[in-house]
Amino acid sequence: AQSVTQLGSHVSVSEGALVLLRCNYSSSVPPYLFWYVQYPNQGLQLLLKYTSAATLVKGINGFEAEFKKSETSFHLTKPSAHMSDAAEYFCAVSDPGGSNTGKLIFGQGTTLQVKP
Amino acid sequence: NAGVMQNPRHLVRRRGQEARLRCSPMKGHSHVYWYRQLPEEGLKFMVYLQKENIIDESGMPKERFSAEFPKEGPSILRIQQVVRGDSAAYFCASSRGVNEKLFFGSGTQLSVL
Repeated sequence: AQSVTQLGSHVSVSEGALVLLRCNYSSSVPPYLFWYVQYPNQGLQLLLKYTSAATLVKGINGFEAEFKKSETSFHLTKPSAHMSDAAEYFCAVSDPGGSNTGKLIFGQGTTLQVKP
Repeated sequence: NAGVMQNPRHLVRRRGQEARLRCSPMKGHSHVYWYRQLPEEGLKFMVYLQKENIIDESGMPKERFSAEFPKEGPSILRIQQVVRGDSAAYFCASSRGVNEKLFFGSGTQLSVL
């Protein structure tokens, strides 16, 4: 069965510092992979997705993620954190085979805190 | 174009009561998904519906939970005889098609006393 593991439920960085949020997946077939962000009292917003094209995926708000098949990882990075990046971030993988990308398996989430 | 609308935002029920959660998808979207987020956990898929059809309910508890998406009106997630363990945030998402971008609502926080 597919699963997603996000390492670190809370990550704290200083404003301007590198953001690195870790995500590892298990899948027997090449998956579709997603990062979503959830701001307080709002729904999830798609940051970026990987669908077997380029392994380095650029998303909104300066975020990017790299698909590494050998490490089964899809870590999210941003070179310089901004206060407005404080939110909860979810990594997700699609149903096996990518037959329905609306049916997602989510990680537990990582809360990003940005300190001034 | 309004986003996915869920109501109510907060719902308080006593044990044994019924909870009805509503979701109006984005205009032009005929695919609806319900997810549940328990405290300290990620979102878990519950059910996938298209207009008037349940396509995949593999994540729905076998008892007390039901969902519908009628031809007219919002999608409804219904929980009968609620228990404390049903307390969670319930999110609805919609899309235009099966592999199209998913848009999430702001969720309904259900609290069972």
